[in-house]
Amino acid sequence: ELKVEQNPLFLSMQEGKNYTIYCNYSTTSDRLYWYRQDPGKSLESLFVLLSNGAVKQEGRLMASLDTKARLSTLHITAAVHDLSATYFCAVRSSGGSNYKLTFGKGTLLTVNP
Amino acid sequence: GAVVSQHPSWVICKSGTSVKIECRSLDFQATTMFWYRQFPKQSLMLMATSNEGSKATYEQGVEKDKFLINHASLTLSTLTVTSAHPEDSSFYICSSGTSGRAVYNEQFFGPGTRLTVL
Repeated sequence: ELKVEQNPLFLSMQEGKNYTIYCNYSTTSDRLYWYRQDPGKSLESLFVLLSNGAVKQEGRLMASLDTKARLSTLHITAAVHDLSATYFCAVRSSGGSNYKLTFGKGTLLTVNP
Repeated sequence: GAVVSQHPSWVICKSGTSVKIECRSLDFQATTMFWYRQFPKQSLMLMATSNEGSKATYEQGVEKDKFLINHASLTLSTLTVTSAHPEDSSFYICSSGTSGRAVYNEQFFGPGTRLTVL
């Protein structure tokens, strides 16, 4: 059974600071996603990481994937208040035809002025 | 990107009644649809996977007789919560993908339906 662990679960940071959210998963996978969720809203896709060593950046967010370590990171650079949200990583199960996603518990990020 | 809609966006019902939630893929044909449930301050939990024209596959612990899923067309899947109880109150999110798009591991998420059972 695929398990996905995120940490930290709660992150309070000041504007302008940097921080990293970690996502570990338990079995081989070929896809990892990062999503953002605002309160009362559905998921917004941030990144899809397809291969070992993949790195993607969008604005102040950068995601990377190490398939050998089964680890992905979401790095926040010079945080701003607008980044306050819950961030989820999700991993696709390898094999099968339905490509199920298993989600981490999420990281609630609060960026304070 | 692909657009998925859900209807209604929120619903309040009395305990014991049934509620139907629709999930539509607006600009592509969705061969597979996924239904998730999210309780407050928790993650998304996959309830079931449905393929067009066949019976849904339910995750362990999800009652198939309580959560009826119909995926009769390539653009519409419905989730019916039968005999709803307060503990069924949750945020229900669908996602859909095609067999082609699945190669790129894309699921397109709907906006969600908030169900409150009184």
